[in-house]
Amino acid sequence: VQLVESGGDLVQPGGSLRLSCAASGFTVINNYMTWVRQAPGRGLEWVSSIYSSDSTKYADSVRGRFTVSRDDSKNTLYLEMNMLRAEDTAVYYCARGPSGYSTFWGQGTLVTVSS
Amino acid sequence: EIVMTQSPATLSVSPGERATLSCRASQSVNSNLAWYQQKPGQAPRLLIYDASTRVSGIPARFSGSGSGTEFTFSISSLQSEDFAVYYCQQYNKWPLTFGGGTKVEIK
Repeated sequence: VQLVESGGDLVQPGGSLRLSCAASGFTVINNYMTWVRQAPGRGLEWVSSIYSSDSTKYADSVRGRFTVSRDDSKNTLYLEMNMLRAEDTAVYYCARGPSGYSTFWGQGTLVTVSS
Repeated sequence: EIVMTQSPATLSVSPGERATLSCRASQSVNSNLAWYQQKPGQAPRLLIYDASTRVSGIPARFSGSGSGTEFTFSISSLQSEDFAVYYCQQYNKWPLTFGGGTKVEIK
C-alpha cells in the first residue's frame, strides 16, 4: 500500500494549486479518502474527504475554495485549491480509511502561500 | 463542530514508566474516536480506533478506553521509540476534528 502526494509549491496569495495523491496497492474508490493538513509547528487539521460514489465533505475554512476529486482510472486523489491564503500554508497529507479515521497516510506535500 | 480537548499539552515521563493521556469531546462522539502517533518529520500513524481497538501490529503496551465525551490513552511502559506527539480524532460527526495533541517527552 502506498500513497504519494505531489504538487506542493510556493504560490502567491490568491493563487491556485492542484495537489495529487497517487495510490497503489488498493483502489481509492473503495475507501474514504481524506486530506489533512498541518501548519508549521501546529497540530492536525482535517480539510476534506471523498467517499462512496461521490460524496464530499469540507472544513468550513476551505469550503468554496477547495475541491476534492478522484480519477478512478488513475487511482489518484486530487485537491484543487483556489483563492489561497497565507493560513493555507501547511504540509498536506492524503490518507485512506474504512470510514472517518485514517489507517494509512502519505508522507505529505508542502504548500507555501506567500508573496 | 465537536471540539476535542487533549490534556496535558506536554507529558514528561521516564522510560519504563506509564503515560496516561486524556481527550475530551465537547459532545458525545460515542466510541468513534481514534488515536494517532506522530514523530518529527513523519506522517501520523493510526494506533487505536473505535476508542479501544488496537491496530494490527501495534504493541499491546498501547491501549485506549472511554466512550461518550471522555477518553483515555495509555502507554503502559514507555520505550524510547514512544516519545512523540499523540492526537485524538473524532469521526462521529462532520466535520472531523482533532485534538491539539499531547507531546510525550523524556523526563
